[in-house]
Amino acid sequence: DSGVTQTPKHLITATGQRVTLRCSPRSGDLSVYWYQQSLDQGLQFLIQYYNGEERAKGNILERFSAQQFPDLHSELNLSSLELGDSALYFCASSVEAGRNYYSGNTIYFGEGSWLTVV
Amino acid sequence: GQQLNQSPQSMFIQEGEDVSMNCTSSSIFNTWLWYKQDPGEGPVLLIALYKAGELTSNGRLTAQFGITRKDSFLNISASIPSDVGIYFCAGINSGGSNYKLTFGKGTLLTVNP
Repeated sequence: DSGVTQTPKHLITATGQRVTLRCSPRSGDLSVYWYQQSLDQGLQFLIQYYNGEERAKGNILERFSAQQFPDLHSELNLSSLELGDSALYFCASSVEAGRNYYSGNTIYFGEGSWLTVV
Repeated sequence: GQQLNQSPQSMFIQEGEDVSMNCTSSSIFNTWLWYKQDPGEGPVLLIALYKAGELTSNGRLTAQFGITRKDSFLNISASIPSDVGIYFCAGINSGGSNYKLTFGKGTLLTVNP
């Protein structure tokens, strides 16, 4: 158990719909990351938040958005869903934003949320 | 963007054999991470490397951060059936206020009992 909690574990929805994925980071971790994993693209970094603020943005579509709340949990919102959005979405967390690596900033993943768009 | 070349893509070995996989990049990384992922599960961190030249072990696993900071390898000794899974390398580059974690495509390991 990594300590990162994601809900829901599985989700089936129709094209055009909107879903929200939720993530609770490990206790004490300030940074939250979202990743998408599909068969053809592998693990793709979407976005990172640190202590409530967006820190880095990767290959995240404009139809997707995320936020980190004061209690440090995060939500990933996926809208106008397309078939190609079907994937496993992972949340990960770490103590720091990524600068002070020599202190041992490692990143722990949740078990993921399976999204199927039909 | 940055790319990590992970090899081999897949390996099929006999139980008890040693395994070696590596990642190379054209860019420098500050940190190398190795993960294992079982089907339907999230990646699990195996080893983290923070300094060039660092050699770290975790049980039967050994990983090294290359001197040039552009490569890393992972060795598994005396493989067992539960080693089956996909192994990912990941590199972190934190230049300035920017931060990026890049994953390799993974190495699928199959262990024949």
